Amino acid sequence: EIVLTQSPVTLSLSPGERATLSCRASQSISSTYLAWYQQKPGQSPRLLIYGASTRATGIPDRFSGSGSGTDFTLTISRLEPEDFAVYYCQQYGRSVPHTFGQGTNLEIK
Amino acid sequence: EVQLVESGGGLVQPGRSLRLSCAASGFIFEDYAMHWVRQVPGKGLEWVSDINWSSSYIVYADSVKGRFTISRDNAKNSLYLQMNSLRDEDTALYYCAKDMSEKGLGPFDMWGQGTMVTVSS
Repeated sequence: EIVLTQSPVTLSLSPGERATLSCRASQSISSTYLAWYQQKPGQSPRLLIYGASTRATGIPDRFSGSGSGTDFTLTISRLEPEDFAVYYCQQYGRSVPHTFGQGTNLEIK
Repeated sequence: EVQLVESGGGLVQPGRSLRLSCAASGFIFEDYAMHWVRQVPGKGLEWVSDINWSSSYIVYADSVKGRFTISRDNAKNSLYLQMNSLRDEDTALYYCAKDMSEKGLGPFDMWGQGTMVTVSS
């Protein structure tokens, strides 16, 4: 099983700042199969990024993804008030189980 | 509008069974693989199971293998999860999620609102 470890667990920033979230895999995964989701309180997860760097439909361009192998990053260039949420990375595709990271809570400072 | 609506959750005693349903609308259901994902309130996401478009490929998390059965009825645009021998640790909000591909190789691009399953005596 591929274990995904996200860091930091909690990130405290202010609107307008840049956020950098990390996701590290226990073994190399194809960048084709790495996704990021956003979850706000009381809501379902929303797909933000897939294929490590492709934004999903309707996702603003302040969200970007990068990385390869075992290290992946989600960057939010300038935080908007609606961006404060929990973010999960996930590996999907041929490797089962389709594991999620434990999440990073992006909170307002 | 693309929509997934789960139902069938509730309070059930350990060892008993429950069947969850997910009604899909707004897209061609038979063209996509589907998944079940669960989340203990306040905790992270755990993938449970997936089924490809034709039901020819089905996989489960080890934590539910042998107890849960995923199925789908493309004529009814519906996904199901039969949960047997329920345990306390199965207590969670259960989401159905649409895969971006027909084979189950894609990310999960649409999620329902979830149905809560509570296993307790």
